[in-house]
Amino acid sequence: GESVGLHLPTLSVQEGDNSIINCAYSNSASDYFIWYKQESGKGPQFIIDIRSNMDKRQGQRVTVLLNKTVKHLSLQIAATQPGDSAVYFCAEIGSSNDYKLSFGAGTTVTVRA
Amino acid sequence: GAGVSQSPSNKVTEKGKDVELRCDPISGHTALYWYRQSLGQGLEFLIYFQGNSAPDKSGLPSDRFSAERTGGSVSTLTIQRTQQEDSAVYLCASSLGPGPRGYGYTFGSGTRLTVV
Repeated sequence: GESVGLHLPTLSVQEGDNSIINCAYSNSASDYFIWYKQESGKGPQFIIDIRSNMDKRQGQRVTVLLNKTVKHLSLQIAATQPGDSAVYFCAEIGSSNDYKLSFGAGTTVTVRA
Repeated sequence: GAGVSQSPSNKVTEKGKDVELRCDPISGHTALYWYRQSLGQGLEFLIYFQGNSAPDKSGLPSDRFSAERTGGSVSTLTIQRTQQEDSAVYLCASSLGPGPRGYGYTFGSGTRLTVV
C-alpha cells in the first residue's frame, strides 16, 4: 500500500506488503524529523528519526526518506504486519527552538489479513 | 518510573467545572511538555517546562488553562470553567534534556477529557 506523493488520511495494506506513508512538512528551517506510531488509547511511540543533513535512514523494517527540496518526508514499512495497524505521525523541529514538536495530521494504517 | 504516567486516564466533567490533569514524568527527566490532541487531529503543543520553570507557555489556548510543576517532577494541567471545545486527549511527554535530539522524548498514554 502506498499514498503516492500526497498525504492521505488512511491507508489500507495487505499483510506482508510494503507500506509507504507520506508527509509534507511546513517549515523549511526544520532540521530534525521524527516518525511516531500511535495505537488506540496510547501515546505516540518513537519509530525513527532523521536529521536534515541526511536523506535516508534505516531501522528495523522501517526506512525514512527526506526530500528537503520539496519538504517531503516518507516512512516505508517492510513486510507490514497486523501489529503495524495504527496512526502514524510525522513531527518536525526547527532550529529556532529545540523542544517544540510540530505534528502532521496523521495517517491511519489498517493491515488486512 | 519506567514510563510517563498520566492520571486520570479518562475524565468526564460538566461544562463550567474545573479539572486537574496529572503527569508523572520519567524519573530524572528535567524537561516536561503538555500537548493536546483533538479528535482525529495531530498533536498541538501547549507548554514546556524545564525544571519547575515554564519558559514557553505559548500554546495554552486561553487564560482558563494553567500548568505548574513542582519538585522538578510532577506536573498538573488545570482547566478552569471547562467548555465543550476543551474535549480532547491531553498528552504529557518528558525528556532527559530539552527536546528530542538524543534525549528520549517519551509520551504518556494521555488523559481523555470529555466535557458534557
